[in-house]
Formats: sequence, structure tokens, C-alpha cells
Amino acid sequence: SQQGEEDPQALSIQEGENATMNCSYKTSINNLQWYRQNSGRGLVHLILIRSNEREKHSGRLRVTLDTSKKSSSLLITASRAADTASYFCATGAIKAAGNKLTFGGGTRVLVKP
Amino acid sequence: NAGVTQTPKFRVLKTGQSMTLLCAQDMNHEYMYWYRQDPGMGLRLIHYSVGEGTTAKGEVPDGYNVSRLKKQNFLLGLESAAPSQTSVYFCASSSPPLDWDSYEQYFGPGTRLTVT
Repeated sequence: SQQGEEDPQALSIQEGENATMNCSYKTSINNLQWYRQNSGRGLVHLILIRSNEREKHSGRLRVTLDTSKKSSSLLITASRAADTASYFCATGAIKAAGNKLTFGGGTRVLVKP
Repeated sequence: NAGVTQTPKFRVLKTGQSMTLLCAQDMNHEYMYWYRQDPGMGLRLIHYSVGEGTTAKGEVPDGYNVSRLKKQNFLLGLESAAPSQTSVYFCASSSPPLDWDSYEQYFGPGTRLTVT
């Protein structure tokens, strides 16, 4: 079973709007990461937030983490057509052998020009 | 610097046939992983390796075998392919957790496998 559940499963917005997606997980974590996957391609790392951090920014990305609720959110501001992709959260358990990650089911984002 | 490469990109197998997927990385990473991705789903870990000569089972290891004879290569084998193994397979690599940046996994472009 997958650790992370993402919501919504799909999101359609206009260029310039913000996109927000959420991730919930079940067990204690060391870190939570977000990845992007363009159609037919491999995953690309976007941002990592540590378990003792509450918010992190990287360019147009803002990630929050609430360990008490076991949830995270990814906000993409001022979206562009190039942001069209699937976004996955992935959790790293505490002392996970081999840096193993557990991925959520993903949110498909469509940004319409 | 090619990063993580996978061979082949596409393959069609008949039930019962065998094949090997090759993953290669040129980043000197210790850790390597094989995942499968089914339609509309996230990635599930098949097997992983924490170093040359070592392998371990992931979440869905049945029907697959792996080998890590060289640090830069990680092979995934299907001994007797089944239609349930139709999927997209991704290889990834990372470093041991020396700092927070090393937790990132680097992914290959994927191999699309169809078993008929």
C-alpha cells in the first residue's frame, strides 16, 4: 500500500493562477519530497522539506508540512503552461535503509494557456 | 554527464519470455532503485541496492530479480514474464545521507514494457 495519498487526483487551471495540491501520509517521516513527472518522462526532484521544518520556498514553489496532521501541501504560484505535469509526494521514513521513498498516487495538473 | 540511463526504452514480450532491463548511472551513487509505475498510480519499489554486490527487496519484488555487479549498473530481470508485469519501469539512484541534498533520487527516462 502506498504511504502517501494525494488530493486532488487531477487539477485544471488557467495560466497565471495558483495550483495547490495536498499529500497525506501515515507513518512518521524523516523528510518529504515533491517530484514532477512530465508525460512519458522520468521523475524530477523539486523540493525536500525536513520533518522539523514547517514551510519551504523554492522559486514559484511553496511547500508546507504539518507533522501533527501528517500532511503536506505544494503550491505553485503564477502557473505556466510548462507546469503541466503530474506531481508526486514521496516520504522518507526515519532511518529508512537505502534512502527508500514511498510515493503517493500523484496529482495531474493541466495548465491551460 | 548522462545521469541515469535505461535500456531498452520499449519492449514487448510474450508471456513466459524472459528479459533484462539495464540501468546505468555516472554520478558515482551508492544507492540504486527499481520502481514500476502503473497507469494513474505512483511508483512502487521493486528492489533496491545500497552498494555494489548488495540487493534488497522492496514493496513488490515477486517475479523480479536484480543484480548489482558493478557500482554504476543495476539490472532488473524478469525470468518468466506475465501480463501483470506490463508497466513502465523506472530506475533511480542516490547517495548515502551525508547531507539533506543527498536524499534526492535521480530518475532514468523509463522502460515501457508490454507483456502479451
